[in-house]
Amino acid sequence: QQPVQSPQAVILREGEDAVINCSSSKALYSVHWYRQKHGEAPVFLMILLKGGEQKGHEKISASFNEKKQQSSLYLTASQLSYSGTYFCGTEQGKLIFGQGTELSVKP
Amino acid sequence: NAGVMQNPRHLVRRRGQEARLRCSPMKGHSHVYWYRQLPEEGLKFMVYLQKENIIDESGMPKERFSAEFPKEGPSILRIQQVVRGDSAAYFCASSPPGLRGNTEAFFGQGTRLTVV
Repeated sequence: QQPVQSPQAVILREGEDAVINCSSSKALYSVHWYRQKHGEAPVFLMILLKGGEQKGHEKISASFNEKKQQSSLYLTASQLSYSGTYFCGTEQGKLIFGQGTELSVKP
Repeated sequence: NAGVMQNPRHLVRRRGQEARLRCSPMKGHSHVYWYRQLPEEGLKFMVYLQKENIIDESGMPKERFSAEFPKEGPSILRIQQVVRGDSAAYFCASSPPGLRGNTEAFFGQGTRLTVV
């Protein structure tokens, strides 16, 4: 079953922060985060394997709450290059992605 | 270490023709996923393969679509008798062996199929 992402879209000014959430009705064993720019391939950001695990990639970090079956992606001090669509993926015998969150960072 | 290679990047087919999309995984990767993406939409799972084995094809349409990943050579996604609704970007992703879902999957650049 497809994980659910929120919000569907967000617009930021450079330097602002954002949080993207990913939740599943099924137990999560791992969560993958990707970013896709328009017309390009999705790019791997990070994978979280354990409940409570947190990781960082530049000024992008994520947490994984296994009990709540949720993961959140945190973008701090956003840059123009952060614009794109963010997908979370969950392992259910195969890698299934949420519907995506479109992030636009304006100057 | 070359990344995931997909070809062709763009493919135009007339209705009723066959489309063959190829995906060469990263070196050392033995698992391949195929996804379909319509404009402004998400990544829809199609099929998950290991060399010489289909692990999960629950996302594949029952007719006209097939996929394989032979012992030697690239993974192939084959669409027979294409229709306009097959027009989309098709991405493959590869991952190394290991606990399923616990290893990173890396995407190719995609094949953009247009059916005219």
